[in-house]
Amino acid sequence: GEDVEQSLFLSVREGDSSVINCTYTDSSSTYLYWYKQEPGAGLQLLTYIFSNMDMKQDQRLTVLLNKKDKHLSLRIADTQTGDSAIYFCASGGYNKLIFGAGTRLAVHP
Amino acid sequence: NAGVTQTPKFQVLKTGQSMTLQCAQDMNHEYMSWYRQDPGMGLRLIHYSVGAGITDQGEVPNGYNVSRSTTEDFPLRLLSAAPSQTSVYFCASSPNVGDRGLSNQPQHFGDGTRLSIL
Repeated sequence: GEDVEQSLFLSVREGDSSVINCTYTDSSSTYLYWYKQEPGAGLQLLTYIFSNMDMKQDQRLTVLLNKKDKHLSLRIADTQTGDSAIYFCASGGYNKLIFGAGTRLAVHP
Repeated sequence: NAGVTQTPKFQVLKTGQSMTLQCAQDMNHEYMSWYRQDPGMGLRLIHYSVGAGITDQGEVPNGYNVSRSTTEDFPLRLLSAAPSQTSVYFCASSPNVGDRGLSNQPQHFGDGTRLSIL
């Protein structure tokens, strides 16, 4: 079946760049999404990319899509302590989103 | 600016009890869905709806029922609660359904209902 995989944990120093990676299996995905979840809260849509794009930039966020390898990444420039959260990659399938297990980003001074 | 509203925020049930988790959106979205979130497993789709009067099963539908009598509301019913249904439940909606029923719009999530079954 369709699947989305991402590493479970990433630790970075404040001010450095963070790169969170994701692979997916559904080649028919129209959109690919990045969501952020802070403790005790719901999911906040960070950004998304249409499947015929290679890159999308939005302020400190850069999304790269390698459709051939089904690989998606999220780069956060100048990572701040407020960026500490769980980041979910999701692919847009038929009538549903397929989520990865989430990457916990820890930002330390 | 209510967006997607879920009630209650917390609930404790005994095994065998039934209850309804409420979800309402005020954005006139066609598509609504329910997910459960378990540690280390991401979110899994329980049921979804592409419009009033239309519902369908997701990945993990057993033990849950839904209905969509209005565009705004999409309640999730637990028929006979089991400890395995202890989880955090999220409702989500998106504006419209594209060609062939594809939900290709970003989904807006509620804040979740934390449910414990004893």
